[in-house]
Amino acid sequence: DSGVTQTPKHLITATGQRVTLRCSPRSGDLSVYWYQQSLDQGLQFLIQYYNGEERAKGNILERFSAQQFPDLHSELNLSSLELGDSALYFCASSTTGGSNTIYFGEGSWLTVV
Amino acid sequence: AQSVAQPEDQVNVAEGNPLTVKCTYSVSGNPYLFWYVQYPNRGLQFLLKYITGDNLVKGSYGFEAEFNKSQTSFHLKKPSALVSDSALYFCAVRDGTDSWGKFQFGAGTQVVVTP
Repeated sequence: DSGVTQTPKHLITATGQRVTLRCSPRSGDLSVYWYQQSLDQGLQFLIQYYNGEERAKGNILERFSAQQFPDLHSELNLSSLELGDSALYFCASSTTGGSNTIYFGEGSWLTVV
Repeated sequence: AQSVAQPEDQVNVAEGNPLTVKCTYSVSGNPYLFWYVQYPNRGLQFLLKYITGDNLVKGSYGFEAEFNKSQTSFHLKKPSALVSDSALYFCAVRDGTDSWGKFQFGAGTQVVVTP
């Protein structure tokens, strides 16, 4: 158990809908990362936050947004969902950046039908 | 820009034989290098990392990795593979000169250990 908690574990929704994925980082970690893993794209970095502020942005679609709240939990919002958004979404956390190891949650499986 | 390459999609090895998973990287500054393992339907688990110092890094489950600056490589090794080592392995790099640089992952290498 990495200490990173993600909910929900599984989610099935229809095209065009909006979903919110939630992440609680490890105790003491200030930085949160979001990744998308799909069969054809591999592990793609989406976005990173540190203590509530966005620190780095990757291949995140405009339909997707995220934020980190004062209690350090984070949410990833996915809207206008398409079939191609079906993937495993991971949250990870670390104390800060630099050489610190990032620890992954178990992921949220999103299926868009 | 930084990048990570794992040149093998899959590595097949017999149980008891040495296991090597290859990784090469490219960064502007000094690299921070990491290895993770992912079992089916699970999150990535941290195995080991190289930040500085000794080029040979030892990690979890008997794995080790060797940092080679001249060849820009960070290959993962295990002297004697187990069937339970069958999993997806990811190499990752972060540029040490940019504290908030992206944590860049390779495409992953599927390891299959046969009894």
